[in-house]
Amino acid sequence: LAKTTQPISMDSYEGQEVNITCSHNNIATNDYITWYQQFPSQGPRFIIQGYKTKVTNEVASLFIPADRKSSTLSLPRVSLSDTAVYYCLVVTSGTYKYIFGTGTRLKVLA
Amino acid sequence: GAVVSQHPSWVICKSGTSVKIECRSLDFQATTMFWYRQFPKQSLMLMATSNEGSKATYEQGVEKDKFLINHASLTLSTLTVTSAHPEDSSFYICSARTTGNIYFGEGSWLTVV
Repeated sequence: LAKTTQPISMDSYEGQEVNITCSHNNIATNDYITWYQQFPSQGPRFIIQGYKTKVTNEVASLFIPADRKSSTLSLPRVSLSDTAVYYCLVVTSGTYKYIFGTGTRLKVLA
Repeated sequence: GAVVSQHPSWVICKSGTSVKIECRSLDFQATTMFWYRQFPKQSLMLMATSNEGSKATYEQGVEKDKFLINHASLTLSTLTVTSAHPEDSSFYICSARTTGNIYFGEGSWLTVV
């Protein structure tokens, strides 16, 4: 299973764009990248998933360079309610054994 | 979207007793469920994989006799913490697998006093 490395914490202000980068140097061909959000005392919530290039949905964008050794979660115009822990996971296609890394604790300030 | 429900949301038990936490997939069948434990300000740690109709697979370092997992139906997995001690106090989270996706429960807080 590919290990992920991401910043422990980040601070941002309301209305700013936040980019959280995750390193996964030994990602394999069958692996894809998934990001989850977790609020205190709640289960993780799916944000976005991708294999390569760029994926966008209604809440975030995911940028994956050609070598796939890293990925960047982009949250546009964050609000106070986006304060949470964000986890980057590398998951092998066909398996569902999610191994969580340390996550990035994002604090959005007014 | 798919919903995974855990019950109870929080429970307090006395040291030495056993406590059961349920994980239900409400609108889909889950052949596989996973159990995680999360201590305050730490990440989720995978404890075991629960397969319907077969024995659970435990991660290294997780005592299978202490954390009993039963996956008797396609919509229900239970985690029983036996002879609970204060150090077992934690947030327990389950996830359930459906075709192509994983859904997480809301978590269950266990406090052992």
